[in-house]
Amino acid sequence: DSGVTQTPKHLITATGQRVTLRCSPRSGDLSVYWYQQSLDQGLQFLIHYYNGEERAKGNILERFSAQQFPDLHSELNLSSLELGDSALYFCASSVEGRYGYTFGSGTRLTVV
Amino acid sequence: LAKTTQPISMDSYEGQEVNITCSHNNIATNDYITWYQQFPSQGPRFIIQGYKTKVTNEVASLFIPADRKSSTLSLPRVSLSDTAVYYCLGSSNFGNEKLTFGTGTRLTIIP
Repeated sequence: DSGVTQTPKHLITATGQRVTLRCSPRSGDLSVYWYQQSLDQGLQFLIHYYNGEERAKGNILERFSAQQFPDLHSELNLSSLELGDSALYFCASSVEGRYGYTFGSGTRLTVV
Repeated sequence: LAKTTQPISMDSYEGQEVNITCSHNNIATNDYITWYQQFPSQGPRFIIQGYKTKVTNEVASLFIPADRKSSTLSLPRVSLSDTAVYYCLGSSNFGNEKLTFGTGTRLTIIP
């Protein structure tokens, strides 16, 4: 157990639907990062939050949004889902980048 | 951001020492070099981090020359369970907001 909790572990939904992925960071970590990993692809950075504020965006689609709540958990919202959105979505947390990121076990999203 | 270049894949036999080299020609002065390991369908796992010279932990060693334009991850006496994708990347002291993983090196250990 890495200390980063992601729910749900698996999600199957239809095209056009909306889903919410949840991440609870490791205790004490203020930063939360979201990554997308499609089949046999590298990890694509989506967005970074630090203590409730958005710090940086990667190639995140306009259909996707995220937020970090006062208790530091974060949610990634994916809407108008397309088949190509099927992927593993990872959340990571850190105190500072210097000490590396701790990743959760991911949410596998399948859009049918 | 430091752009990194690694071999796409490597094969090695069990019991051998494996060295994976990463090039990062434009690494920033305050960037550390960090290596991660990823097994299929799992999140990446932090392996080792260093700034310069040599760092060793219970899992691996990391060699960074004085010019810091490259680094080498050394895995001693690999086993089948070391088969994974290995990523190197630069990260700053205060968090690299757009930390991006490259394609990594797919290491396959042969019995």
